[in-house]
Amino acid sequence: DTGVSQDPRHKITKRGQNVTFRCDPISEHNRLYWYRQTLGQGPEFLTYFQNEAQLEKSRLLSDRFSAERPKGSFSTLEIQRTEQGDSAMYLCASSDRQGAYGYTFGSGTRLTVV
Amino acid sequence: AQKVTQAQTEISVVEKEDVTLDCVYETRDTTYYLFWYKQPPSGELVFLIRRNSFDEQNEISGRYSWNFQKSTSSFNFTITASQVVDSAVYFCALSGDLGSYNTNAGKSTFGDGTTLTVKP
Repeated sequence: DTGVSQDPRHKITKRGQNVTFRCDPISEHNRLYWYRQTLGQGPEFLTYFQNEAQLEKSRLLSDRFSAERPKGSFSTLEIQRTEQGDSAMYLCASSDRQGAYGYTFGSGTRLTVV
Repeated sequence: AQKVTQAQTEISVVEKEDVTLDCVYETRDTTYYLFWYKQPPSGELVFLIRRNSFDEQNEISGRYSWNFQKSTSSFNFTITASQVVDSAVYFCALSGDLGSYNTNAGKSTFGDGTTLTVKP
C-alpha cells in the first residue's frame, strides 16, 4: 500500500466552475476525512466517513460542497460554483476506527480559483 | 466545542539547541486524544504521536519527548539537540473518543501550527 493518494495535485479553475477531487485511502482504513488548509492555518475539518456512511459534515461547509464514498472505498469531494474563497489545500486522510496511529494524510489537492 | 491553541507562531533556534513547542487545549469530553503532526516543506502532514486522556505519562522517542499535563490542559513537545531536518510546521490536534460515535469522535481539531526553523 502506497499510502493515501489524492488526485489531482493542483487544480486551477475559473470562478463559477465545478471541481471534483478524488481520494484513495489506505485500503485497511475504514475512516476517511476531508480537511481544508489555508496558508498559516491548521487543517480545518470538512467531513468524515465511516465506511460508506458520512457521519458528520462541518457546519462551516456550504451546500456547494458535497462528498461521497461509494462502497466505502475511494472518496470524492465536489465543489460547485467555485468562489475565490474556496482557494485552499484540500487534504484527505484515513485512519482505522481506533486511530491508534493518528491520521495518514495524502499530499493534498491545491485549488486555485481565478 | 473543542479548541487547540498553539501560541507560538514561529520559533527559530540554532542547531543542537533544545526547543519546546507549546499546546493548550479545551474540551468537555472526559475521554479524548491528543496528537502532534509534522508538516515539512514538502507539505504532507506526518503523524508523530497520540496520547489518550487517561495516560499522563511522559513519552520519549529518540530526540522527541512529550509532556502531557491534564491539570493545565497542555501537551507540550520538546525536541532535544535540534537538527536542520527538524525545520517544519508542527501541529497539535485534539479529538474525542475515537471508538465512539459522539460529535467529536471522528474529527480532529487542529491548532494553527508552530513554524520551527533550525539554523545550522
